[in-house]
Amino acid sequence: DAMVIQNPRYQVTQFGKPVTLSCSQTLNHNVMYWYQQKSSQAPKLLFHYYDKDFNNEADTPDNFQSRRPNTSFCFLDIRSPGLGDAAMYLCATSVRDTQYFGPGTRLTVL
Amino acid sequence: GQQVMQIPQYQHVQEGEDFTTYCNSSTTLSNIQWYKQRPGGHPVFLIQLVKSGEVKKQKRLTFQFGEAKKNSSLHITATQTTDVGTYFCAGTGGYNKLIFGAGTRLAVHP
Repeated sequence: DAMVIQNPRYQVTQFGKPVTLSCSQTLNHNVMYWYQQKSSQAPKLLFHYYDKDFNNEADTPDNFQSRRPNTSFCFLDIRSPGLGDAAMYLCATSVRDTQYFGPGTRLTVL
Repeated sequence: GQQVMQIPQYQHVQEGEDFTTYCNSSTTLSNIQWYKQRPGGHPVFLIQLVKSGEVKKQKRLTFQFGEAKKNSSLHITATQTTDVGTYFCAGTGGYNKLIFGAGTRLAVHP
């Protein structure tokens, strides 16, 4: 059974049109992460939550926002997607030191 | 800040040949983790090493953590086509944040 679920798996949006990606987890983990991964690169951490405590990476653009309404769900909002935001977006949870990644949402910006 | 360097970036091998990827950190690591990402997939946790000089094996995979806890390696014996993917090492920062190496992409030719 999937433990970290991401919807949709593929998302196409237009330049400048807001888009929301969602993540849910059945593991009841306190910590959740959002990563951006571009082709042939390592995942880049955007932000993470410890419970509802939100932590933004210093180099995460203001264009990216996140919400975590409860333990199970987390959302990534891209307010005005640019062509450079086309990437795979990965959600992950962790317990102790191990991270469990969802399958990712591949975002295309036209 | 803490950095994790990983080499080589790419490795092409014939099926049956061995493969090794290396990670080095600028600072002492509390632990190091290894993840595998298949083409089109998401990172999947392989193993965590915690102790100085630790060696762990998973079938044909051998993981080592250096005595100074600043370097690590993953060695695959007799590669198979199912080993294809990108292998990432990652150190752990605060809030279990992962500091990824750049990854080594392994191609296995039958």
